[in-house]
Amino acid sequence: AQTVTQSQPEMSVQEAETVTLSCTYDTSESDYYLFWYKQPPSRQMILVIRQEAYKQQNATENRFSVNFQKAAKSFSLKISDSQLGDAAMYFCAYRIPAYDKVIFGPGTSLSVIP
Amino acid sequence: KAGVTQTPRYLIKTRGQQVTLSCSPISGHRSVSWYQQTPGQGLQFLFEYFSETQRNKGNFPGRFSGRQFSNSRSEMNVSTLELGDSALYLCASSLRGDSSPLHFGNGTRLTVT
Repeated sequence: AQTVTQSQPEMSVQEAETVTLSCTYDTSESDYYLFWYKQPPSRQMILVIRQEAYKQQNATENRFSVNFQKAAKSFSLKISDSQLGDAAMYFCAYRIPAYDKVIFGPGTSLSVIP
Repeated sequence: KAGVTQTPRYLIKTRGQQVTLSCSPISGHRSVSWYQQTPGQGLQFLFEYFSETQRNKGNFPGRFSGRQFSNSRSEMNVSTLELGDSALYLCASSLRGDSSPLHFGNGTRLTVT
């Protein structure tokens, strides 16, 4: 079965601190792509970061970075120097080229405390 | 470059009616996907179109259908609406539809009464 698990339904972080959102996935495919999306209250889903499974180097995008552990099928997102604008729902997702759909996790609601 | 445009943003329908939602992808994007988002079920894949062909379909009843036009614009239709169809319907486009990331619209909030 193709599934994505985000074990933390809600998380909170102090402004300027660092927070890590966890994600695990299940697939028997070797070629796939992983994503983190952010959905603020405005409800538009925004791509935060992308990782190719064949790359061992973890992706980074400014204050956002991932810890990709392929063998463990783990793909966590680290947000450094958290800002109020980071408050949103975060979805972990993966896409397998052989299948024309993206599988999303249930999401983690992140609150940022001033 | 303009983003993904979904119309309308809000819709209220009654049970038994049918509804059509529209999605205009980013210029140059040939793949369009549709997702249903509800608090209980999260994001559920509905279907994906590439060059006017449906390439994959999620586990939804036949009341849910879609199509894609030659200009890559897509429509989604739901017939015989049920209360459980109330949801946020998100459209996403991507360049090629394989490894390309999805770019989402603002969604259409459908309420069925």
